[in-house]
Amino acid sequence: EAQVTQNPRYLITVTGKKLTVTCSQNMNHEYMSWYRQDPGLGLRQIYYSMNVEVTDKGDVPEGYKVSRKEKRNFPLILESPSPNQTSLYFCASSRRDSNQPQHFGDGTRLSIL
Amino acid sequence: EDQVTQSPEALRLQEGESSSLNCSYTVSGLRGLFWYRQDPGKGPEFLFTLYSAGEEKEKERLKATLTKKESFLHITAPKPEDSATYLCAVQATGNNRKLIWGLGTSLAVNP
Repeated sequence: EAQVTQNPRYLITVTGKKLTVTCSQNMNHEYMSWYRQDPGLGLRQIYYSMNVEVTDKGDVPEGYKVSRKEKRNFPLILESPSPNQTSLYFCASSRRDSNQPQHFGDGTRLSIL
Repeated sequence: EDQVTQSPEALRLQEGESSSLNCSYTVSGLRGLFWYRQDPGKGPEFLFTLYSAGEEKEKERLKATLTKKESFLHITAPKPEDSATYLCAVQATGNNRKLIWGLGTSLAVNP
């Protein structure tokens, strides 16, 4: 089954404790992206990757890091999480062509205390 | 500034009561308009892509249409399982894949 898998689905942690949210897709997609979704603000892009070893900032990259060492994986790293990063996070992937729809994972709900 | 506005914010229908959701957009040039459905606790699920004014796409009880300024998602004879948040996103030309998202319409269909 074609899917985007995120882990963990839920995480409660404390300020300053480094964490990584993993994302893996099995569709051989070149493009991958991370979003956060907040009430009243909608989906906002954090980082994206056009292919292996190619990453770029989205609209809200501050406080986040990403890497793309393999085509299928695109982890999101919070080096020193803060409460304002409490949110619902989604990973998405799509084919290379620019107007292809993105396929989303089921989300990771992060709470930073 | 590129912008996407969805209306209404929330809509409650009786089962079988048809209606339409609106997505108005302002972009310099349209590469594509996307409709997604999002269920609670889930990621957005792709429904349709529309590329040019006059285009229409259908899937079961849903039909999406596109003009130069807006898109409509028509829901015919909805069922309770159509209850979800419907999101609209626009990709502008020359914007290297960035999607501009609306805030969504939360649809509830009562049996």
